[in-house]
Amino acid sequence: GAVVSQHPSWVICKSGTSVKIECRSLDFQATTMFWYRQFPKQSLMLMATSNEGSKATYEQGVEKDKFLINHASLTLSTLTVTSAHPEDSSFYICRTNARHTEAFFGQGTRLTVV
Amino acid sequence: AQKITQTQPGMFVQEKEAVTLDCTYDTSDPSYGLFWYKQPSSGEMIFLIYQGSYDQQNATEGRYSLNFQKARKSANLVISASQLGDSAMYFCAMREGRGTSYDKVIFGPGTSLSVIP
Repeated sequence: GAVVSQHPSWVICKSGTSVKIECRSLDFQATTMFWYRQFPKQSLMLMATSNEGSKATYEQGVEKDKFLINHASLTLSTLTVTSAHPEDSSFYICRTNARHTEAFFGQGTRLTVV
Repeated sequence: AQKITQTQPGMFVQEKEAVTLDCTYDTSDPSYGLFWYKQPSSGEMIFLIYQGSYDQQNATEGRYSLNFQKARKSANLVISASQLGDSAMYFCAMREGRGTSYDKVIFGPGTSLSVIP
């Protein structure tokens, strides 16, 4: 079964609205969650790293005020895309290191902003 | 600087044949891990195989094997007996460090594999 549960799997929203994406770790404690974005036919680009109980660390070029990350508990991390615009349409996916030989991904969220 | 290079944007292979997907990497950290993931059109990331920098033998998982050449910094994926269901994007990825929970994993640009009946 899924180790990391990500919801929603797809979402369509109007330009200017905010969208929240959740990643829940199942049966283990995820102290760190990584958030990636993937544009069509491109690779996964790391956006930010969140650690439980502390502020997220954002990669260069990623707007922290636009992509709000919260990791309030060991089983839940959320990414909120604020004031979404069409250029934010992408595939967003979370990942956690449950053990060093494997990285567990959520199922991903396809965001379309219209 | 690009840390993971996959020089084959697209590959074709005949069903039941073997195929090699190339991956080279760049790191100065003596401790690192290399992964291969499969991403079908649904978007999910499917873990295939892992190779640690200190592992003496090449990793194998069923039809997947990793040709690890440390001195050349290459970690090619070999898929034997290709199946139609193997058609997908394949990503090589690297984790620098000893594998703590906060180690980043970065991904290569990917290779699109198409299996021909």
